[in-house]
Amino acid sequence: EVQLVESGGGLVQPGRSLRLSCAASGFTFDDYAMHWVRQAPGKGLEWVSGISWNSGSIGYADSVKGRFTISRDNAKNSLYLQMNSLRAEDTALYYCAKASYDILTELGYWGQGTLVTVSS
Amino acid sequence: QSVLTQPPSVSGAPGQRVTISCTGSSSNIGAGYDVHWYQQLPGTAPKLLIYGNSNRPSGVPDRFSGSKSGTSASLAITGLQAEDEADYYCQSYDSSLSGSKVVFGGGTKLTVL
Repeated sequence: EVQLVESGGGLVQPGRSLRLSCAASGFTFDDYAMHWVRQAPGKGLEWVSGISWNSGSIGYADSVKGRFTISRDNAKNSLYLQMNSLRAEDTALYYCAKASYDILTELGYWGQGTLVTVSS
Repeated sequence: QSVLTQPPSVSGAPGQRVTISCTGSSSNIGAGYDVHWYQQLPGTAPKLLIYGNSNRPSGVPDRFSGSKSGTSASLAITGLQAEDEADYYCQSYDSSLSGSKVVFGGGTKLTVL
């Protein structure tokens, strides 16, 4: 059974940093691209970033480019999102999602999310 | 402002058929990228409903169907049931001079009357 468990969320002041993690199990992690998708309270889904199986292809939403960094450790079956210079508008539930194959394919499995609140 | 445009809300009575549109442009749906649909029940994570424009993952009832034409796509739900009340999102891929990225529609809230 595919499982994606996010962690690392919490309350953080504007301008500070936070690192999210996603622990994956139930599949061969290094065969698949992975993504981070967020959802602000009461709002729709917003893609944040995606990474190919070997980290050779990485993409970011314009809203986070230059502030967020996605990475993965295939040996640890883990996905990460380093978030710097956080802003109030980054407040959201952050989901880790598994692509069905490469970075262009659908997001077949989602975690339950970790909540990030940016506030002073 | 989402790259893919969906109606904010649709509604229908039990047993009826509803459709949800997803309008893109020549840099995403019109460029040939697949459209996928997700269902998000209240308080839960999104779930893949339709992939590759018209394919259903295992376990998704055949009451749900998808189609794509030109720069648009549609999700149809027939035999509407109370449990279908949820938010629905379309998703594709966008490639332009500013870069490549995954894009979502703004979401459509389905109300079963």
